[in-house]
Amino acid sequence: ILNVEQSPQSLHVQEGDSTNFTCSFPSSNFYALHWYRWETAKSPEALFVMTLNGDEKKKGRISATLNTKEGYSYLYIKGSQPEDSATYLCARRSGGYNKLIFGAGTRLAVHP
Amino acid sequence: GAGVSQSPSNKVTEKGKDVELRCDPISGHTALYWYRQRLGQGLEFLIYFQGNSAPDKSGLPSDRFSAERTGESVSTLTIQRTQQEDSAVYLCASSLVTGTGNYGYTFGSGTRLTVV
Repeated sequence: ILNVEQSPQSLHVQEGDSTNFTCSFPSSNFYALHWYRWETAKSPEALFVMTLNGDEKKKGRISATLNTKEGYSYLYIKGSQPEDSATYLCARRSGGYNKLIFGAGTRLAVHP
Repeated sequence: GAGVSQSPSNKVTEKGKDVELRCDPISGHTALYWYRQRLGQGLEFLIYFQGNSAPDKSGLPSDRFSAERTGESVSTLTIQRTQQEDSAVYLCASSLVTGTGNYGYTFGSGTRLTVV
């Protein structure tokens, strides 16, 4: 994997459903993996910064796991709500700087 | 200010004109980044500032694009002789940074540039 890849590209779920999506990235020279939420007409908002293999982070109903050896991270949303509707971006830190390379995002729509 | 401020929020310009986009980062954030998102695409890195210097400008798409930062604060991204393919949302972000630290970005709300 040369770039950061996210799947699925978009997702429609019903309110109350739990859902998850995937971020895949090159496993070599790993520094950190970031997750952001980007709601329409707003700024992207940082959710998690993950650095260690096996890391699991949680913020309310949202959690994320990290596998640096195989190069993937999962984001989980439990009991989706309409306000969770947003594009979820993951990004890999590239090299010695805090420069991030972003995936194209997963667009989530939660229907009441 | 409390957040990252970008101006203008929207800009419509004629092809061939120059535009200047401004970013005011969070006070104390030494790192500043410019990204853009063209329609249907992901966030594309443009340039990174550490203080007033730009150690990585590898994402600038052509020599029509330039950026500067002064006073370890405000940054301006200038696009000369704009082309239609420059139409995008230009996002600025800032962060704390150390050699080994990993810090999340705080993004501005972006400038939507439309070249007609």
